[in-house]
Amino acid sequence: NAGVTQTPKFQVLKTGQSMTLQCAQDMNHEYMSWYRQDPGMGLRLIHYSVGAGITDQGEVPNGYNVSRSTTEDFPLRLLSAAPSQTSVYFCASSYIGRGRFTEAFFGQGTRLTVV
Amino acid sequence: AQKITQTQPGMFVQEKEAVTLDCTYDTSDQSYGLFWYKQPSSGEMIFLIYQGSYDEQNATEGRYSLNFQKARKSANLVISASQLGDSAMYFCAMREGLPGTALIFGKGTTLSVSS
Repeated sequence: NAGVTQTPKFQVLKTGQSMTLQCAQDMNHEYMSWYRQDPGMGLRLIHYSVGAGITDQGEVPNGYNVSRSTTEDFPLRLLSAAPSQTSVYFCASSYIGRGRFTEAFFGQGTRLTVV
Repeated sequence: AQKITQTQPGMFVQEKEAVTLDCTYDTSDQSYGLFWYKQPSSGEMIFLIYQGSYDEQNATEGRYSLNFQKARKSANLVISASQLGDSAMYFCAMREGLPGTALIFGKGTTLSVSS
């Protein structure tokens, strides 16, 4: 079982470039989300999805787009990269528990630097 | 207002000693779940322990236990018999309301274990 797979692991972008961070999970989880981690800020939610075709904004959505065309994939698009988007990005998935809250399974992270 | 507050940016403990990492939360929901994650220097997010708001007993997982005080809205992580490998960042997180809602994180506590 691969779990949650993120690609790439590292990326350097120039200001203004666009790119897509890939996230795939093979656990048939309904719920997927993207976080960014910055020093001293914890993990902040960017966008999330509760199922194919359904997405919503989190705490820090500006400058990012998502789509969920399949259960397995949840790509994060940076439209026009800015230095403020330099961060470590985590994708996570979880199943929606019946009667209980469930933990999130995380990918290995993508370290993005925008110069 | 912050949903999850971790007031200890850094904690230091000797090997074999117990340590408590503080977490307070803010929610008006009666149904919620509390989670702790460990992030070692390698960067991956490791799920440690879960406590549901209706669980009558404090959760335990090996050397980890969760000191859940509902009236105080606190969910402190207790690590018994610390090991050098426990040195890491620790995050408290919460899901509230419905099981499929977002996982919200605190800013984390860095734990350093010395020999």
